[in-house]
Amino acid sequence: QVQLVESGGGVVQPGRSLRLSCAASGFTFSAYGMHWVRQAPGKGLEWVAFMSYGGSDEFYADAVKGRFTISRDHLNNTLYLQMNSLRPEDTAIYYCAKDRWNYGGPFDSWGQGTLVTVSS
Amino acid sequence: EIVLTQSPATLSLSPGERATLSCRASQSISSYLAWYQQKPAQAPRLLIYDASSRAPGIPARFSASGSGTDFTLTISSLEPEDFAVYYCQQRSNWPRTFGPGTKVDIK
Repeated sequence: QVQLVESGGGVVQPGRSLRLSCAASGFTFSAYGMHWVRQAPGKGLEWVAFMSYGGSDEFYADAVKGRFTISRDHLNNTLYLQMNSLRPEDTAIYYCAKDRWNYGGPFDSWGQGTLVTVSS
Repeated sequence: EIVLTQSPATLSLSPGERATLSCRASQSISSYLAWYQQKPAQAPRLLIYDASSRAPGIPARFSASGSGTDFTLTISSLEPEDFAVYYCQQRSNWPRTFGPGTKVDIK
């Protein structure tokens, strides 16, 4: 079955960087688009970024554009989110989510999330 | 950016009752709408995609309809495990956006 396991969260000071990872298994990783979605404490869901199945296309929420970069490694079946210039408002649980199709579908599988706290 | 609004914010019902949740888009999104369920301390789960298609393994008591700007999720008879927060999400345009959620709690 599909399994997505995020890691790399933690406490980081404003302005610093962090890289999140999402290890994928149970499906052909290279055939599906992948997303990052976040949820601030006690708040709703916010889509963050998408990368197409082949890695040729990527899209970002305006709130993270220019600061965050999504990437994927098909040899290791891993999705990444490089987060630079972190701000307190980036504090959230970060979920990776599998696209139902190879490009731009709904999110049909989710990881358990990793918590990022941006605080001095 | 497409803005999704959900109503009501909270729905207080008893097990066995029917729940009707609404999602409205700021512009037409055709049928590119999904519904997710989220329980406390859990990741969201896909219920419905493309406005009315149930995801694999989702019970038949969950149904949905709509197109354009107005969408509805219906739970025909609430089970104890259905009390949760429900989000709608559009995949018509980038950036993808979610509604603020409807909490279905026990009356």
